[in-house]
Amino acid sequence: DARVTQTPRHKVTEMGQEVTMRCQPILGHNTVFWYRQTMMQGLELLAYFRNRAPLDDSGMPKDRFSAEMPDATLATLKIQPSEPRDSAVYFCASGLQEQSPLHFGNGTRLTVT
Amino acid sequence: RKEVEQDPGPFNVPEGATVAFNCTYSNSASQSFFWYRQDCRKEPKLLMSVYSSGNEDGRFTAQLNRASQYISLLIRDSKLSDSATYLCVVKRDTGRRALTFGSGTRLQVQP
Repeated sequence: DARVTQTPRHKVTEMGQEVTMRCQPILGHNTVFWYRQTMMQGLELLAYFRNRAPLDDSGMPKDRFSAEMPDATLATLKIQPSEPRDSAVYFCASGLQEQSPLHFGNGTRLTVT
Repeated sequence: RKEVEQDPGPFNVPEGATVAFNCTYSNSASQSFFWYRQDCRKEPKLLMSVYSSGNEDGRFTAQLNRASQYISLLIRDSKLSDSATYLCVVKRDTGRRALTFGSGTRLQVQP
């Protein structure tokens, strides 16, 4: 059963440190999304890619966040420097065209102290 | 105002009850609609798509009212395993095409 794989599952870091989250989309899926989930805001779109090209990253604080797809099997989300307000669960999801259901990874639970 | 609004709940219902959730969306360009389910500390998973004519999947019925811009989900004969958060999701066909999620409605089915 194909799955989206995210690493790490949990990350605890101190304010100011760099955080890198990785995602392996389902093979053959051409759209990849990064969402952040908090109790207060729910699921917020940070960035999304189609065929590895970034299409929308308007939900992402550009001064500290960056998202890339170095190849079709890897998407990364970096935060530098991290802040306590970045504490959340970060989900990666992939799909085949935007019409299909999204398949989510297990998420990375980030805590910034 | 959020693009997708849901009552956060929680809805506490006994087993066997019928429960309905509503969701409103603000962008009339929204063209595709879905319900996702999220269990505690898990990832969201697609429950069902919502079609203009309404659709049913077992105990679950989804309805769309484009004129009033709301979507509903009805669960009949609730089971303990239905306890989860139900996320209303919309997608535009123009502009930003990624899925926009509501904050979710929490359902707790009690024995």
